[in-house]
Amino acid sequence: NAGVTQTPKFRVLKTGQSMTLLCAQDMNHEYMYWYRQDPGMGLRLIHYSVGEGTTAKGEVPDGYNVSRLKKQNFLLGLESAAPSQTSVYFCASSYYRGGKDETQYFGPGTRLLVL
Amino acid sequence: QQPVQSPQAVILREGEDAVINCSSSKALYSVHWYRQKHGEAPVFLMILLKGGEQKGHDKISASFNEKKQQSSLYLTASQLSYSGTYFCGVQGSNGANSKLTFGKGITLSVRP
Repeated sequence: NAGVTQTPKFRVLKTGQSMTLLCAQDMNHEYMYWYRQDPGMGLRLIHYSVGEGTTAKGEVPDGYNVSRLKKQNFLLGLESAAPSQTSVYFCASSYYRGGKDETQYFGPGTRLLVL
Repeated sequence: QQPVQSPQAVILREGEDAVINCSSSKALYSVHWYRQKHGEAPVFLMILLKGGEQKGHDKISASFNEKKQQSSLYLTASQLSYSGTYFCGVQGSNGANSKLTFGKGITLSVRP
């Protein structure tokens, strides 16, 4: 099993450009999450999904959109990138166990630089 | 609301012990602990689900004081491999409908 994979690993964008980050998991997990990590800020939840076809806002959703058309994939889109979106983006997934022992498995991260 | 982790940073020599704390202002359902090495993804360490629960593997253990709304991670006889940033993630008291909110992390450095 590959676990959680993210594409691309690194990207440089110019302000105003758009891009999509892809997260894929092969563990048949119901829940998937997108976080951003900035120095001294920890992990902040952008959007998450509790199942195929569903998405919900997290702590810092502005400027991002997501889609979960297939259970194994969770896409994060930036329609018009801004320098404030320079960050490391992590995808994670977990089983649904009714709130019990929902360990999150993280992907390797995508480093995004917006100039 | 983001949990507060303390101390801000820890520097140890091999073999020394350390305690990392995680405190929340709201009632908790669970506490998750993760470790992240520089340039890598966070890796799950353990989860505590019940008030007063203690868990551990190898020389890393944790406790969860539900009444005080806090958890502590104990690293005993630290090894070089323990270096990294430790995050706690907390789940609010509504359990299944509650997402994880992570603290800012504590950087722990173990020196020879």
